[in-house]
Amino acid sequence: AQTVTQSQPEMSVQEAETVTLSCTYDTSESDYYLFWYKQPPSRQMILVIRQEAYKQQNATENRFSVNFQKAAKSFSLKISDSQLGDAAMYFCAYGDTGTASKLTFGTGTRLQVTL
Amino acid sequence: GAVVSQHPSWVICKSGTSVKIECRSLDFQATTMFWYRQFPKQSLMLMATSNEGSKATYEQGVEKDKFLINHASLTLSTLTVTSAHPEDSSFYICSARDQRLDQETQYFGPGTRLLVL
Repeated sequence: AQTVTQSQPEMSVQEAETVTLSCTYDTSESDYYLFWYKQPPSRQMILVIRQEAYKQQNATENRFSVNFQKAAKSFSLKISDSQLGDAAMYFCAYGDTGTASKLTFGTGTRLQVTL
Repeated sequence: GAVVSQHPSWVICKSGTSVKIECRSLDFQATTMFWYRQFPKQSLMLMATSNEGSKATYEQGVEKDKFLINHASLTLSTLTVTSAHPEDSSFYICSARDQRLDQETQYFGPGTRLLVL
Protein backbone atom coordinates (compact mmCIF):
# COMPACT_ATOMS: atom_id res chain seq x y z
CA ALA A 1 0.00 0.00 0.00
CA GLN A 2 1.11 3.50 -0.72
CA THR A 3 1.97 5.83 2.13
CA VAL A 4 2.43 9.58 2.23
CA THR A 5 4.44 11.30 4.94
CA GLN A 6 4.39 14.96 5.86
CA SER A 7 6.96 15.44 8.59
CA GLN A 8 6.14 19.08 9.39
CA PRO A 9 2.93 19.38 11.43
CA GLU A 10 3.22 23.15 11.46
CA MET A 11 5.14 25.79 9.55
CA SER A 12 5.26 29.55 9.77
CA VAL A 13 6.27 32.11 7.17
CA GLN A 14 6.30 35.87 7.04
CA GLU A 15 4.23 37.62 4.46
CA ALA A 16 6.09 38.01 1.14
CA GLU A 17 8.63 35.38 2.10
CA THR A 18 9.08 31.88 0.69
CA VAL A 19 8.30 28.62 2.44
CA THR A 20 8.76 24.98 1.48
CA LEU A 21 6.51 22.17 2.69
CA SER A 22 7.92 18.66 2.62
CA CYS A 23 6.30 15.45 1.46
CA THR A 24 7.65 11.98 0.90
CA TYR A 25 5.80 8.94 -0.33
CA ASP A 26 6.31 5.27 -0.82
CA THR A 27 5.15 3.29 -3.83
CA SER A 28 6.24 0.46 -6.06
CA GLU A 29 4.48 1.96 -9.06
CA SER A 30 6.30 3.83 -11.80
CA ASP A 31 3.33 5.83 -13.06
CA TYR A 32 1.25 7.87 -10.65
CA TYR A 33 0.15 11.38 -9.76
CA LEU A 34 0.98 13.65 -6.88
CA PHE A 35 -1.10 16.52 -5.58
CA TRP A 36 -1.04 19.32 -3.09
CA TYR A 37 -4.40 20.35 -1.71
CA LYS A 38 -5.11 23.32 0.52
CA GLN A 39 -7.77 23.25 3.23
CA PRO A 40 -8.51 26.68 4.69
CA PRO A 41 -10.66 27.16 7.82
CA SER A 42 -13.78 26.74 5.67
CA ARG A 43 -12.58 23.13 5.23
CA GLN A 44 -13.14 23.25 1.46
CA MET A 45 -10.38 21.22 -0.18
CA ILE A 46 -8.77 23.23 -2.97
CA LEU A 47 -6.37 21.81 -5.53
CA VAL A 48 -3.11 23.74 -5.47
CA ILE A 49 -0.95 21.84 -7.90
CA ARG A 50 -0.53 18.41 -9.48
CA GLN A 51 2.40 16.52 -10.91
CA GLU A 52 2.47 13.54 -13.24
CA ALA A 53 5.22 11.12 -12.28
CA TYR A 54 6.24 10.52 -15.87
CA LYS A 55 7.03 14.21 -16.34
CA GLN A 56 10.48 15.28 -15.27
CA GLN A 57 9.61 18.96 -15.35
CA ASN A 58 8.42 20.34 -12.05
CA ALA A 59 4.89 21.70 -12.08
CA THR A 60 4.28 25.39 -11.37
CA GLU A 61 1.10 27.37 -10.75
CA ASN A 62 1.76 31.06 -10.27
CA ARG A 63 3.39 31.40 -6.82
CA PHE A 64 3.28 27.66 -6.19
CA SER A 65 5.86 25.24 -7.48
CA VAL A 66 7.00 21.75 -6.64
CA ASN A 67 10.34 20.01 -6.38
CA PHE A 68 9.63 16.49 -7.59
CA GLN A 69 12.44 14.02 -6.97
CA LYS A 70 11.17 10.69 -8.27
CA ALA A 71 14.14 8.59 -7.23
CA ALA A 72 14.01 9.98 -3.72
CA LYS A 73 10.19 9.81 -3.68
CA SER A 74 10.01 13.39 -2.57
CA PHE A 75 7.46 16.01 -3.55
CA SER A 76 7.88 19.35 -1.80
CA LEU A 77 5.75 22.45 -2.30
CA LYS A 78 7.30 25.90 -2.50
CA ILE A 79 5.14 28.93 -1.91
CA SER A 80 6.71 32.18 -3.03
CA ASP A 81 5.67 35.68 -1.98
CA SER A 82 3.47 34.24 0.75
CA GLN A 83 0.16 35.96 1.36
CA LEU A 84 -2.17 35.98 4.35
CA GLY A 85 -4.65 33.99 2.30
CA ASP A 86 -2.16 31.15 2.01
CA ALA A 87 -2.70 30.29 5.66
CA ALA A 88 -4.32 26.87 5.69
CA MET A 89 -3.76 23.16 6.14
CA TYR A 90 -1.83 21.69 3.24
CA PHE A 91 -2.21 18.05 2.32
CA CYS A 92 0.08 16.10 0.04
CA ALA A 93 -1.68 13.28 -1.81
CA TYR A 94 -0.65 10.34 -3.93
CA GLY A 95 -2.92 9.07 -6.68
CA ASP A 96 -2.93 5.88 -8.66
CA THR A 97 -3.52 6.07 -12.38
CA GLY A 98 -6.66 4.82 -14.09
CA THR A 99 -10.36 5.33 -13.70
CA ALA A 100 -10.44 3.67 -10.30
CA SER A 101 -7.60 5.72 -8.95
CA LYS A 102 -7.77 6.61 -5.29
CA LEU A 103 -5.97 9.26 -3.31
CA THR A 104 -3.83 8.61 -0.28
CA PHE A 105 -3.33 11.69 1.86
CA GLY A 106 -0.56 12.73 4.20
CA THR A 107 -1.30 13.98 7.68
CA GLY A 108 -1.07 17.61 6.64
CA THR A 109 1.01 20.68 7.44
CA ARG A 110 -0.59 23.70 9.02
CA LEU A 111 0.86 26.87 7.52
CA GLN A 112 0.71 30.14 9.40
CA VAL A 113 1.43 33.40 7.62
CA THR A 114 2.54 36.28 9.80
CA LEU A 115 2.80 39.99 9.11
CA GLY B 1 -15.69 24.35 -14.08
CA ALA B 2 -15.38 21.21 -11.97
CA VAL B 3 -17.61 22.38 -9.15
CA VAL B 4 -18.89 19.90 -6.60
CA SER B 5 -21.64 20.70 -4.11
CA GLN B 6 -22.79 18.93 -0.98
CA HIS B 7 -26.04 19.15 0.90
CA PRO B 8 -26.61 19.72 3.71
CA SER B 9 -23.58 21.63 4.90
CA TRP B 10 -24.30 20.63 8.46
CA VAL B 11 -26.80 18.43 10.19
CA ILE B 12 -27.67 17.55 13.76
CA CYS B 13 -29.65 14.41 14.41
CA LYS B 14 -30.69 12.16 17.24
CA SER B 15 -29.00 8.87 17.89
CA GLY B 16 -30.68 6.04 15.99
CA THR B 17 -31.91 8.11 13.08
CA SER B 18 -30.61 8.02 9.51
CA VAL B 19 -29.05 10.92 7.68
CA LYS B 20 -28.63 11.35 3.94
CA ILE B 21 -25.89 13.50 2.43
CA GLU B 22 -25.95 14.47 -1.23
CA CYS B 23 -22.96 15.09 -3.46
CA ARG B 24 -23.50 16.71 -6.85
CA SER B 25 -21.20 17.54 -9.71
CA LEU B 26 -22.64 20.81 -10.98
CA ASP B 27 -21.05 21.34 -14.34
CA PHE B 28 -19.73 17.97 -15.33
CA GLN B 29 -20.59 14.30 -15.31
CA ALA B 30 -18.82 12.09 -12.84
CA THR B 31 -18.86 8.33 -13.27
CA THR B 32 -16.83 8.02 -10.10
CA MET B 33 -17.22 9.87 -6.85
CA PHE B 34 -15.44 9.36 -3.55
CA TRP B 35 -16.56 9.69 0.05
CA TYR B 36 -14.14 10.71 2.78
CA ARG B 37 -14.36 11.20 6.49
CA GLN B 38 -12.27 13.70 8.40
CA PHE B 39 -11.96 13.92 12.17
CA PRO B 40 -10.83 17.19 13.78
CA LYS B 41 -7.22 18.04 13.04
CA GLN B 42 -6.74 14.85 11.10
CA SER B 43 -6.35 13.90 7.48
CA LEU B 44 -8.95 12.63 5.07
CA MET B 45 -9.74 8.96 5.20
CA LEU B 46 -11.31 7.37 2.16
CA MET B 47 -14.49 5.52 3.03
CA ALA B 48 -15.71 4.32 -0.34
CA THR B 49 -15.61 4.78 -4.07
CA SER B 50 -18.99 5.40 -5.64
CA ASN B 51 -19.50 4.17 -9.17
CA GLU B 52 -22.45 5.26 -11.29
CA GLY B 53 -24.79 2.38 -11.96
CA SER B 54 -22.96 -0.16 -9.84
CA LYS B 55 -22.23 -1.00 -6.24
CA ALA B 56 -19.84 1.13 -4.27
CA THR B 57 -16.44 -0.17 -3.28
CA TYR B 58 -15.81 0.21 0.44
CA GLU B 59 -12.45 0.55 2.13
CA GLN B 60 -11.40 -1.98 4.69
CA GLY B 61 -13.06 -1.40 8.04
CA VAL B 62 -15.96 0.65 6.66
CA GLU B 63 -19.33 -0.96 7.29
CA LYS B 64 -21.28 -1.03 4.05
CA ASP B 65 -24.57 -1.57 5.86
CA LYS B 66 -23.87 1.42 8.04
CA PHE B 67 -22.84 3.80 5.28
CA LEU B 68 -25.10 3.26 2.30
CA ILE B 69 -23.93 4.77 -0.95
CA ASN B 70 -26.06 5.28 -4.03
CA HIS B 71 -24.77 6.70 -7.30
CA ALA B 72 -27.88 6.65 -9.44
CA SER B 73 -26.92 9.33 -11.95
CA LEU B 74 -23.82 10.85 -13.45
CA THR B 75 -24.15 13.94 -11.31
CA LEU B 76 -25.40 12.67 -7.96
CA SER B 77 -24.08 10.35 -5.28
CA THR B 78 -25.64 9.99 -1.85
CA LEU B 79 -24.26 8.76 1.43
CA THR B 80 -26.76 7.60 4.04
CA VAL B 81 -25.55 7.11 7.59
CA THR B 82 -27.98 4.57 8.98
CA SER B 83 -28.86 4.35 12.66
CA ALA B 84 -26.40 7.09 13.45
CA HIS B 85 -24.59 7.12 16.78
CA PRO B 86 -22.43 9.79 18.43
CA GLU B 87 -19.25 8.12 17.18
CA ASP B 88 -20.46 8.78 13.62
CA SER B 89 -20.16 12.50 14.26
CA SER B 90 -17.57 13.77 11.82
CA PHE B 91 -16.93 15.87 8.75
CA TYR B 92 -17.88 14.03 5.55
CA ILE B 93 -16.43 15.16 2.25
CA CYS B 94 -17.15 13.94 -1.25
CA SER B 95 -15.08 14.36 -4.38
CA ALA B 96 -15.54 13.71 -8.06
CA ARG B 97 -13.44 13.51 -11.15
CA ASP B 98 -14.19 15.46 -14.31
CA GLN B 99 -13.24 12.92 -16.92
CA ARG B 100 -13.47 15.45 -19.70
CA LEU B 101 -10.41 17.12 -18.21
CA ASP B 102 -8.51 14.21 -16.78
CA GLN B 103 -9.13 11.01 -14.93
CA GLU B 104 -6.81 11.68 -12.06
CA THR B 105 -7.66 14.96 -10.35
CA GLN B 106 -10.38 14.90 -7.71
CA TYR B 107 -12.47 18.01 -7.04
CA PHE B 108 -13.95 18.25 -3.61
CA GLY B 109 -17.27 19.35 -2.23
CA PRO B 110 -17.44 21.78 0.69
CA GLY B 111 -18.15 19.00 3.18
CA THR B 112 -20.96 18.12 5.56
CA ARG B 113 -20.59 18.39 9.29
CA LEU B 114 -22.60 15.72 11.09
CA LEU B 115 -23.34 15.85 14.79
CA VAL B 116 -25.19 12.95 16.35
CA LEU B 117 -26.64 13.62 19.77
